[in-house]
Parts: sequence; C-alpha cells; structure tokens
Amino acid sequence: QLQLQESGPGLVKPSETLSLSCAVSGGSISTSTYSWGWIRRPPGKGLEWIGSIFYSGSTHFNPSLKSRVTISVDPSKNQFSLKLISMTAADTAMYYCAREYYYGSGNFGGLEYWSQGTLVSVSS
Amino acid sequence: QSVLTQPPSVSGAPGQRVTISCTGSRSNIGAGYDVHWYQRLPRAAPKLLIYANNNRPSGVPDRFSGSKSGTSASLAITGLQAEDEGVYYCQSYDSTLSGSRLFGGGTKVTVL
Repeated sequence: QLQLQESGPGLVKPSETLSLSCAVSGGSISTSTYSWGWIRRPPGKGLEWIGSIFYSGSTHFNPSLKSRVTISVDPSKNQFSLKLISMTAADTAMYYCAREYYYGSGNFGGLEYWSQGTLVSVSS
Repeated sequence: QSVLTQPPSVSGAPGQRVTISCTGSRSNIGAGYDVHWYQRLPRAAPKLLIYANNNRPSGVPDRFSGSKSGTSASLAITGLQAEDEGVYYCQSYDSTLSGSRLFGGGTKVTVL
C-alpha cells in the first residue's frame, strides 16, 4: 500500500521560505505513470492545488503561486519537495502531498493517494 | 471564487439521495476534461471518490456515482448514511491555465 508522509516545520515567520518534503513508501517515485503534487487547504476554506512534478522533473504550477513555488524530485530518496518563498499569513494552511495517475497525452486520473497533511502556520 | 462552482451545502435524511453539482465552462469541463470527486471527512485527508467522471476506485461503495454533461458534472449519493457527512470537492483541468488542476469550492454534506 502506497504511503506518503510530509516533513517540515509547523511554523514559519512572515517573509521566510517554507520547505516541505514528501517521502513515498510502498512504491517507486521513478515512474512516468504518476505525477506527484502538493495541495493545501487554508483554515475554513477549500482545497487549492499548488503544483506537481513528474520524476523526469517536468512541472506544472498554479498560476497564482507560480512565481513563489519550486517543486523538485529526488529519486534516490524516493521523495519530492516543495519550497514556497515570501510566506505570509495567507499561506497558513494544511499542506498535503499526493500521487496523481497519468494516462498519457495530457490526461490525468485524479489524486489517488494523499498524505495525512501537515499544518503550517505563518506567524512572527 | 472558484472556477468550478459547487453549492456550499446540501443535506438529507439517512437513506435519502442527494446530488452535488459542479459547474464549469467551455475551457474546463466543457472542453472535455475529466472530472474527479473527493470526499474529506472530519479530521481526515481527502479521498478520491470518483475518477474520470463516473468511475469508482476499489473500495468505494456503489452508493456514490458521478456523471458529466456539457459544462457540468454531478455527484450523487444514494442511501445517505451518517458516515457520509463531510465536504465533497470536484476537480478538473482548464485549457487556459497551463495544466493547472482546478478544485471546486467544496460542498458540505449534512446528514439530518
């Protein structure tokens, strides 16, 4: 059974950079069949897709966050990572990592495995 | 304001049928992109409930079904149970947003 587990700080100061990692177990990250993504849910609000990456390094980002986001993959550690710069209170949220099935030809099959989520607060 | 519009809430008595709509436009659902549905129960991570418009992952009860027509999609829950209470999200893609995944705003399902 595939499992995803995030790691990173629960508290970040305004203007600083958030760094989260997502360790994948029970399966390999090194396959073109899946995309690996980050999603967040601010308190009292809905889900917001942040971005995703293939193991090849190809990325897609939410246009509203693109200027502040970096997503990378480390096949040797079977994990992928998120960096979000210039954090503000509006970035306070539960952050999830997830695996997305890729059919090919630009078609995706939904976010089929999710991590439990990690709460990140932005405060001085 | 989400590009995919869902009703904020729906409710029903146990055993009843409820439906949740997800309304998009010609650049997303109407362009033929698949719609997926997620269930987020209290204190739990989201779970894929329906993929590619009308397919259930293994383990999802057949009380849950999805459909898509034109620029909209729907999730139906028949035989509503207390354990179904939570928030449901639709998700699709948009041709104007460079491969972005879009989520609807979410619909709170309350079992009366």
